[in-house]
Amino acid sequence: QKEVEQNSGPLSVPEGAIASLNCTYSDRGSQSFFWYRQYSGKSPELIMSIYSNGDKEDGRFTAQLNKASQYVSLLIRDSQPSDSATYLCAASGYSTLTFGKGTMLLVSP
Amino acid sequence: DGGITQSPKYLFRKEGQNVTLSCEQNLNHDAMYWYRQDPGQGLRLIYYSQIVNDFQKGDIAEGYSVSREKKESFPLTVTSAQKNPTAFYLCASSRTSAQETQYFGPGTRLLVL
Repeated sequence: QKEVEQNSGPLSVPEGAIASLNCTYSDRGSQSFFWYRQYSGKSPELIMSIYSNGDKEDGRFTAQLNKASQYVSLLIRDSQPSDSATYLCAASGYSTLTFGKGTMLLVSP
Repeated sequence: DGGITQSPKYLFRKEGQNVTLSCEQNLNHDAMYWYRQDPGQGLRLIYYSQIVNDFQKGDIAEGYSVSREKKESFPLTVTSAQKNPTAFYLCASSRTSAQETQYFGPGTRLLVL
């Protein structure tokens, strides 16, 4: 059974701090990795995708991938209260994505 | 405006009743997916389709059925065999396969009367 593991949280950070979200995956064949943000009662929206080892930056967000350690992370710089949401990590298989259960992030003003 | 639409937003099911959730996309995507989300459970795959007239079971297909007669449409039927249907149902699509980004519709919340 392919698995994606995330700490459920909540992860609490003050406004302006860096939030670090982590994810591990079991399928060594996974090639594509995604971070989605989901506000309560809403559907997931894509934050970042990453396919190669290393870092990928987009604005305040940086995704990091280490295939040898089967580890993906998302850093959010200058966290804002509007970043408070559940963050879902997903790893691709041949035909499907496997999602983690998500980490809840709370950013306090 | 390109995107994925799901209807209805809320759906109520009576005991023994089959209900159908609609999912339509105008992104010209080949692949479509149905997920179920329960509180604290993350997303679980029900069915997926990579091409018209073909679909595969996901991890929790029992009690559900789908069809893919048109590229744009992938309706999900929750049958009376699904004994615990209360959940948030999400439809998604991707250009070709799961290696590419999946985009989600707004979801349908199904409640049992």
